Amino acid sequence: SQQGEEDPQALSIQEGENATMNCSYKTSINNLQWYRQNSGRGLVHLILIRSNEREKHSGRLRVTLDTSKKSSSLLITASRAADTASYFCATDLNSGGYQKVTFGIGTKLQVIP
Amino acid sequence: EADIYQTPRYLVIGTGKKITLECSQTMGHDKMYWYQQDPGMELHLIHYSYGVNSTEKGDLSSESTVSRIRTEHFPLTLESARPSHTSQYLCASSIGTLSGNTIYFGEGSWLTVV
Repeated sequence: SQQGEEDPQALSIQEGENATMNCSYKTSINNLQWYRQNSGRGLVHLILIRSNEREKHSGRLRVTLDTSKKSSSLLITASRAADTASYFCATDLNSGGYQKVTFGIGTKLQVIP
Repeated sequence: EADIYQTPRYLVIGTGKKITLECSQTMGHDKMYWYQQDPGMELHLIHYSYGVNSTEKGDLSSESTVSRIRTEHFPLTLESARPSHTSQYLCASSIGTLSGNTIYFGEGSWLTVV
């Protein structure tokens, strides 16, 4: 099964509202990353948070990491219609002596104008 | 924007045909990956490479093969395509830093086998 699992799987909000997505994972990690994917396109890296960090900001994005609960959240403030996309968390961990990045199942965000 | 390119973007081919999906990156990254993703679904790692002449199978079994003769080039080949191979194939690359591996994706290749 996937290392990371996002929750909810789908989210629909009005423009201007905040969107919160959660990610849970199973094993110890080096860092956790969030990616965005527009429909039919490749993924784009949004933000990386290291295992020794608890919170990180980038523009309208805020990411938190709780290693004791093995969970992370991505908050998008003041959402815009252009934020409509799928959002994936990815965990970076050491596995068998090499680094491995594993993606979750994604959260589909729809922002209604 | 990441400097990683995939061709073709869209391909419709008949069953039994051989196809090669091209992937090139100009960032000098050692690590390259192929992911398979059905529409609206999760990504599955099918192949990865940690450098020239290094290729490994990923988490999801795939009938495709890859090669890594040059750092910048990581093509994926299907010797005999079947309808079950219909999917989106995403190529990616990364370079490890102290912070970890940030992965850069191409735009994807949509394959339809009829």
